[in-house]
Amino acid sequence: AAGVIQSPRHLIKEKRETATLKCYPIPRHDTVYWYQQGPGQDPQFLISFYEKMQSDKGSIPDRFSAQQFSDYHSELNMSSLELGDSALYFCASSQLAGWSTDTQYFGPGTRLTVL
Amino acid sequence: KQEVTQIPAALSVPEGENLVLNCSFTDSAIYNLQWFRQDPGKGLTSLLLIQSSQREQTSGRLNASLDKSSGRSTLYIAASQPGDSATYLCAVSTSGTYKYIFGTGTRLKVLA
Repeated sequence: AAGVIQSPRHLIKEKRETATLKCYPIPRHDTVYWYQQGPGQDPQFLISFYEKMQSDKGSIPDRFSAQQFSDYHSELNMSSLELGDSALYFCASSQLAGWSTDTQYFGPGTRLTVL
Repeated sequence: KQEVTQIPAALSVPEGENLVLNCSFTDSAIYNLQWFRQDPGKGLTSLLLIQSSQREQTSGRLNASLDKSSGRSTLYIAASQPGDSATYLCAVSTSGTYKYIFGTGTRLKVLA
């Protein structure tokens, strides 16, 4: 069965650079969630999209932006990178149907290292 | 605001023991609860998903229960093996928002 695809899997950047993380949801899934997991921490919700519109927002820095495209893939753009942005970034997808939603399926994550 | 707590934070047991991991949440209006396993530096492996209308789910040596009224879930691991060593996370999806709020995890080590 198809799973959530994230690219790249590993990314190394310098401070103050920009990074773009991509997420390709499971086919027919219309909702995408982004989570950030710092070293030794639990994953924290950043932002979610449903049908290309932002549906919820968590503790996402103003330096970060994200969007969902017409093919439902999503990109997380991170600018002015800081050392503290080094983390594992997970994308999850689900299918919203009416007032309910299917479970979230998580991708393998992108490990971002900021030097 | 939903808060999720896991006890214990760390656990070390000899191989073969049955063990219970606990997850508590403050808002009982949940949509579902999911248990994950995470190996060091790796991604999240989904173990069991319990919908809010369900009381328990089983998969192999794993059994997860849910008591919404008391805001608790337990993950029972039977006959533990060294390969079970990992961090176990519970995550709660609250009705209306669907985003997951994760617990702080239980770091399990099973000794051979």
